[in-house]
Amino acid sequence: DVKVTQSSRYLVKRTGEKVFLECVQDMDHENMFWYRQDPGLGLRLIYFSYDVKMKEKGDIPEGYSVSREKKERFSLILESASTNQTSMYLCASQPASGGTYEQYFGPGTRLTVT
Amino acid sequence: AQSVSQHNHHVILSEAASLELGCNYSYGGTVNLFWYVQYPGQHLQLLLKYFSGDPLVKGIKGFEAEFIKSKFSFNLRKPSVQWSDTAEYFCAVKGGGSYIPTFGRGTSLIVHP
Repeated sequence: DVKVTQSSRYLVKRTGEKVFLECVQDMDHENMFWYRQDPGLGLRLIYFSYDVKMKEKGDIPEGYSVSREKKERFSLILESASTNQTSMYLCASQPASGGTYEQYFGPGTRLTVT
Repeated sequence: AQSVSQHNHHVILSEAASLELGCNYSYGGTVNLFWYVQYPGQHLQLLLKYFSGDPLVKGIKGFEAEFIKSKFSFNLRKPSVQWSDTAEYFCAVKGGGSYIPTFGRGTSLIVHP
């Protein structure tokens, strides 16, 4: 079974803090994604990575950056957290070939910025 | 750019009722289609998927979906829902040549026992 784990289930940070959200997958998938999930807005893509050190901006990258130094690990960074970044953050992985490109999701990190 | 529309944002049913959740997409080329489900407190997981072949696909827990190419639709159905089907359901579309799916806004389903 594919397993995607996220470093925290719940996180509370103060405005202006630097926040690191980490995601690890154990299936050697090439592609990894960070989404934020807000009620009524569905999943919105923040960043996508298709290989180590490779990344692409998604639909809402402003205020976020990412790091992928190892294939299995994809980190989301909030350089200076703001209250409008309070949300549920979901990480996903996906094989780049040989499959149907379904995504495998982690349990999510619910971030509250006060 | 592709887009996905889920018509029902909130659906409330009694147990044993039939379910149909609408999903329409806009994309002119080859598509892969997915329904994901998120049960309360659990992670998002794949319910079913269409890749090619038979347009009627069956997923887990008695769910099925039909791909109607002429209508750009991929509606989710279940003949008789259970209380345990209470969850949020997301339709997603991936256009050919891209790894990145587009998700709909989700439908919250509540099933009363």
